[in-house]
Amino acid sequence: KQEVTQIPAALSVPEGENLVLNCSFTDSAIYNLQWFRQDPGKGLTSLLLIQSSQREQTSGRLNASLDKSSGRSTLYIAASQPGDSATYLCAAFSRPNAGNNRKLIWGLGTSLAVNP
Amino acid sequence: NAGVTQTPKFQVLKTGQSMTLQCAQDMNHEYMSWYRQDPGMGLRLIHYSVGAGITDQGEVPNGYNVSRSTTEDFPLRLLSAAPSQTSVYFCASSYLWTGVPSGEQYFGPGTRLTVT
Repeated sequence: KQEVTQIPAALSVPEGENLVLNCSFTDSAIYNLQWFRQDPGKGLTSLLLIQSSQREQTSGRLNASLDKSSGRSTLYIAASQPGDSATYLCAAFSRPNAGNNRKLIWGLGTSLAVNP
Repeated sequence: NAGVTQTPKFQVLKTGQSMTLQCAQDMNHEYMSWYRQDPGMGLRLIHYSVGAGITDQGEVPNGYNVSRSTTEDFPLRLLSAAPSQTSVYFCASSYLWTGVPSGEQYFGPGTRLTVT
């Protein structure tokens, strides 16, 4: 059964730092993996979607990588800003033989605080 | 496009009352799903649908019903509200490709439900 883990649960950094958020999954048989951002009291916003055939995706200061062999995805945020403060979640769609057909499996998220 | 819309934004119910949370999308997405989000427990899937007339259970379906009579709408019914159903509820949608949610998941803004 697929499980998704995000470490650390919380992270506090000074403005301007480059940082990496980690997402691990136990079964490499995934269709895709998606990173989301959630601001306090708000809904979820999709940041990046990586299909299983891809190694990375980039959007502005964000870069997400996918390594199925090691069961890891990382979200890289360059030159962090206070506006990046939010909770970041990753979620994976597993292939049918992993027992979680057509359901996203979610991590619990990393709560990021970027201090001015 | 309005994207994914949810109504109401806030709701207070008494134990035993029933109600329907509304979800609609205007992107012609086949896949729609309902989640609840509780502190420390992450997002948990309640029900999902892969098209009109087709629904299936997620992790925590008890106490909830769904139906999908059109592609656009996917209402969630609470049959007899209990305090344990106090939560934030999110609806999401995406395209399907060969039966698998293949694109980005789009989320609604959420409904904050309190059951007293």
